Amino acid sequence: KQEVTQIPAALSVPEGENLVLNCSFTDSAIYNLQWFRQDPGKGLTSLLLIQSSQREQTSGRLNASLDKSSGRSTLYIAASQPGDSATYLCAVKETSGSRLTFGEGTQLTVNP
Amino acid sequence: NAGVMQNPRHLVRRRGQEARLRCSPMKGHSHVYWYRQLPEEGLKFMVYLQKENIIDESGMPKERFSAEFPKEGPSILRIQQVVRGDSAAYFCASSPRPPGIEKLFFGSGTQLSVL
Repeated sequence: KQEVTQIPAALSVPEGENLVLNCSFTDSAIYNLQWFRQDPGKGLTSLLLIQSSQREQTSGRLNASLDKSSGRSTLYIAASQPGDSATYLCAVKETSGSRLTFGEGTQLTVNP
Repeated sequence: NAGVMQNPRHLVRRRGQEARLRCSPMKGHSHVYWYRQLPEEGLKFMVYLQKENIIDESGMPKERFSAEFPKEGPSILRIQQVVRGDSAAYFCASSPRPPGIEKLFFGSGTQLSVL
């Protein structure tokens, strides 16, 4: 059974800092991995999707890496801003089945 | 192009009543997924549907829960005889192709509260 863990559970940083969020998964037979952002009272917004054959994806100030063999992914946020404050979720899609397995998220607060 | 639309945003039911949650996928998306987020827990997969067909319901509780995605109209998640443990945020997502090929687009969710 796939399990996804995210560390830390919460993170508070001053504006402008670069930061790294971590995600680990127990079964390396994944099809892809996605990072989402969830704002309070709202749905999830997909940030980056990394296929199993890829090592990283970049979008603006965000960079996500994937090391499938070790079961790890990181989300790097450069020059953080207060608007980045949200919960960040990592989810893996296994090679079989249709479900995404989510971690419990990292709650990020960026202080002005 | 409107996003995934879910309604109602908030739904209050008394124990024993029925709850019907609706989801309209993005235009052109024929694949719909339902996830549940219980308090203090992560999102859990419930069911995957493609127009008129249930493809994977391995995450659905065996009793009281059902889902449909008719040829016309929104997808419906139906919970019969609700209990307090059903209180959660229910999220719908859609995609234009089978899971894994592209990103999933999520709705804003329906917060179900059972009194």
